[in-house]
Amino acid sequence: QKEVEQNSGPLSVPEGAIASLNCTYSDRGSQSFFWYRQYSGKSPELIMFIYSNGDKEDGRFTAQLNKASQYVSLLIRDSQPSDSATYLCAVNAGGTSYGKLTFGQGTILTVHP
Amino acid sequence: NAGVMQNPRHLVRRRGQEARLRCSPMKGHSHVYWYRQLPEEGLKFMVYLQKENIIDESGMPKERFSAEFPKEGPSILRIQQVVRGDSAAYFCASSSPQLNIQYFGAGTRLSVL
Repeated sequence: QKEVEQNSGPLSVPEGAIASLNCTYSDRGSQSFFWYRQYSGKSPELIMFIYSNGDKEDGRFTAQLNKASQYVSLLIRDSQPSDSATYLCAVNAGGTSYGKLTFGQGTILTVHP
Repeated sequence: NAGVMQNPRHLVRRRGQEARLRCSPMKGHSHVYWYRQLPEEGLKFMVYLQKENIIDESGMPKERFSAEFPKEGPSILRIQQVVRGDSAAYFCASSSPQLNIQYFGAGTRLSVL
């Protein structure tokens, strides 16, 4: 079982729709959760981070965390073609692995006009 | 630009040569992390450093790879006797001492001929 799993996609949504990206993790003790966006050939760019169960909203982005289900998601409202990228879910287990982010394989999102 | 600075952006080496990748953290950050992204693969943690200390090197290959973060100057990831399989994008990230929120540099793309 992979430590952090994402659907690789591609996920295709029309412009203006809601894109829903999902991620599950295996380490129940994980403490912090991140979503990064990576355009082709570029570096990861931090979109959201979340530590507590529930929802966290920032502009068009909402991160949702459910520790009991070991599940974290990212919703993108009013999707734009410029949102087309690979979205990386990253998890930090804390403790002796404080510095280590474990990444999923990424979900490719395509927003078509 | 107060972001994470990496250089060179592109590095070409022949098999058996040494590669040195440099990373200067964001202003106010003293924690540095190195990740590797192989073609068509996800980001993999390599090493976590603070000034003059290696905190976690659990992701570093046992041979040929080393990292340092001296009291003065950038962090260095050193790969000795490079092989074709070392061809990848190497990303550096940094965070503040208070929060493990990692921001990435533009990366160094290493090509081994």
